[in-house]
Amino acid sequence: NAGVTQTPKFRILKIGQSMTLQCAQDMNHNYMYWYRQDPGMGLKLIYYSVGAGITDKGEVPNGYNVSRSTTEDFPLRLELAAPSQTSVYFCASKDKRAGEQYFGPGTRLTVT
Amino acid sequence: GESVGLHLPTLSVQEGDNSIINCAYSNSASDYFIWYKQESGKGPQFIIDIRSNMDKRQGQRVTVLLNKTVKHLSLQIAATQPGDSAVYFCAETGNQFYFGTGTSLTVIP
Repeated sequence: NAGVTQTPKFRILKIGQSMTLQCAQDMNHNYMYWYRQDPGMGLKLIYYSVGAGITDKGEVPNGYNVSRSTTEDFPLRLELAAPSQTSVYFCASKDKRAGEQYFGPGTRLTVT
Repeated sequence: GESVGLHLPTLSVQEGDNSIINCAYSNSASDYFIWYKQESGKGPQFIIDIRSNMDKRQGQRVTVLLNKTVKHLSLQIAATQPGDSAVYFCAETGNQFYFGTGTSLTVIP
């Protein structure tokens, strides 16, 4: 199993540009999550999904959108990039019967 | 909202000594807690978890203690090794996960 994969690893965006961060998992997990991690800080939940077709907001959803059309994929969309969105983004998944989340390697995003 | 915090942002220990990392949480209804380890440039990795109906759980070289009375949990690492150097996060969870800010552990050879 590849586990949780994220692309790209790094990206630089100009203010106002849009992009989609990709996340995929091959463990057939129902639950998937997007977090952001600012320097020296813990993870903040952006959005999560408990299954295909179902998404919900986390602590810091403003400026982001998600979709979950399949169990495997959970892309995160930034429509109008702002410097405040400079961060490292982590995707995670877990089985609905278990507590442990499995994290991807992260995407480092810089908005200038 | 939820609040999960750690007592110390950094901790340095000598190789071979035991490490103790502390965490406080605010929601007395939280029923599940996880400790994660994050190495530089990587995503968090599960270490150990504990449910609120327990006060202690042991893994390989790690022990988590939960004190619900004061809403505090700790992670103990026995015989700390250089490979244990990382940032450690506690997280509490219901539907969502709430992470603390992390403690950076440095192991001195």
